[in-house]
Amino acid sequence: DAEITQSPRHKITETGRQVTLACHQTWNHNNMFWYRQDLGHGLRLIHYSYGVQDTNKGEVSDGYSVSRSNTEDLPLTLESAASSQTSVYFCASNSDRGEQFFGPGTRLTVL
Amino acid sequence: TQLLEQSPQFLSIQEGENLTVYCNSSSVFSSLQWYRQEPGEGPVLLVTVVTGGEVKKLKRLTFQFGDARKDSSLHITAAQPGDTGLYLCAGANTGGFKTIFGAGTRLFVKA
Repeated sequence: DAEITQSPRHKITETGRQVTLACHQTWNHNNMFWYRQDLGHGLRLIHYSYGVQDTNKGEVSDGYSVSRSNTEDLPLTLESAASSQTSVYFCASNSDRGEQFFGPGTRLTVL
Repeated sequence: TQLLEQSPQFLSIQEGENLTVYCNSSSVFSSLQWYRQEPGEGPVLLVTVVTGGEVKKLKRLTFQFGDARKDSSLHITAAQPGDTGLYLCAGANTGGFKTIFGAGTRLFVKA
């Protein structure tokens, strides 16, 4: 069965360190997305990609970057982690009808 | 900017009660989805509605898309503790490029 996976599931890091969160999907979807979810803010879009070599900024992109070298993967990098980036991060891919398929999430804590 | 407003934000009810969650926008969407999210997991797609006036049923859950494709509702009949979770509505446009999420309705069903 097709799926979308994220790793790690939990990560604790220190302020200033570079962190990369992995996302891998086997749906063969062109569109992939990264969100963060915080209490009181719902799901907020960080970055998204409509295909290989395409990346776009979402509403909360500062401090984050993504790259898309193949269809299956969209890693999210925090260049210099800040405490404000402590959150739960979800990766998703979507069908042509906009139906989103989410990964299980990565809980990131920045100390 | 397209926005989706969900109401209520929080709902605590007794087992067996009925409830309705609303999702409203001033924008027209090609399709609208409803997701349910349980603690520690990613949102899971429940249903997609694409035609104005469309009604879909999923066991005790009834979903309706407004005639103008700007709003939707989720009605749960005889709620059960297993229905507890965060319910998210989301609107998408043709091609599935970027999905707009509502802030969610957190439902708690007491036994």
